[in-house]
Amino acid sequence: GQQLNQSPQSMFIQEGEDVSMNCTSSSIFNTWLWYKQDPGEGPVLLIALYKAGELTSNGRLTAQFGITRKDSFLNISASIPSDVGIYFCAGVMDSNYQLIWGAGTKLIIKP
Amino acid sequence: EAEVAQSPRYKITEKSQAVAFWCDPISGHATLYWYRQILGQGPELLVQFQDESVVDDSQLPKDRFSAERLKGVDSTLKIQPAELGDSAMYLCASSLGQGLRAFFGQGTRLTVV
Repeated sequence: GQQLNQSPQSMFIQEGEDVSMNCTSSSIFNTWLWYKQDPGEGPVLLIALYKAGELTSNGRLTAQFGITRKDSFLNISASIPSDVGIYFCAGVMDSNYQLIWGAGTKLIIKP
Repeated sequence: EAEVAQSPRYKITEKSQAVAFWCDPISGHATLYWYRQILGQGPELLVQFQDESVVDDSQLPKDRFSAERLKGVDSTLKIQPAELGDSAMYLCASSLGQGLRAFFGQGTRLTVV
């Protein structure tokens, strides 16, 4: 089936560092969603993007809808311990409105 | 803030037994999703409802899994008989409509022994 390529798979960072992750595909999307999932919990919606080129922030998080409509980026500035978790991108395909998921980026903060 | 409610949070069952999960979506949300998530992987869509109708169940193992949303509100996902490989997190999500942002419940962690 359709897939989103999410990278990196995992990241080890120091507290205070900025973090970047992205999702790419060969398909065109009309919506991009970024979620965070803590262990044993359901994913929590962080940011929703609806237009190509759109840049949206939620606190220290900023996400962008790529101009080609085939990719999206999530940045976290000045990371803190509670940012640890798995971040998922999900895109709504333009062709059939199906919601497609990335495999996740696991964020780990070095002690 | 409105939430998607799921129960139970945890379920341990023996293989070959029947198990059922319940989901109550956010009020007014027409679209309801059931996902299965294996540890370390992203959610995998099992079934999607639009009101009471199934719009996508292509990944639902229909020999043992069934889902219903009789009145277009809450939904039940059933597994009969459960197999060891069914151990996973089962997530329910809802959205106002297809293709709109989806909100998740806390999930049901199933362990089949």
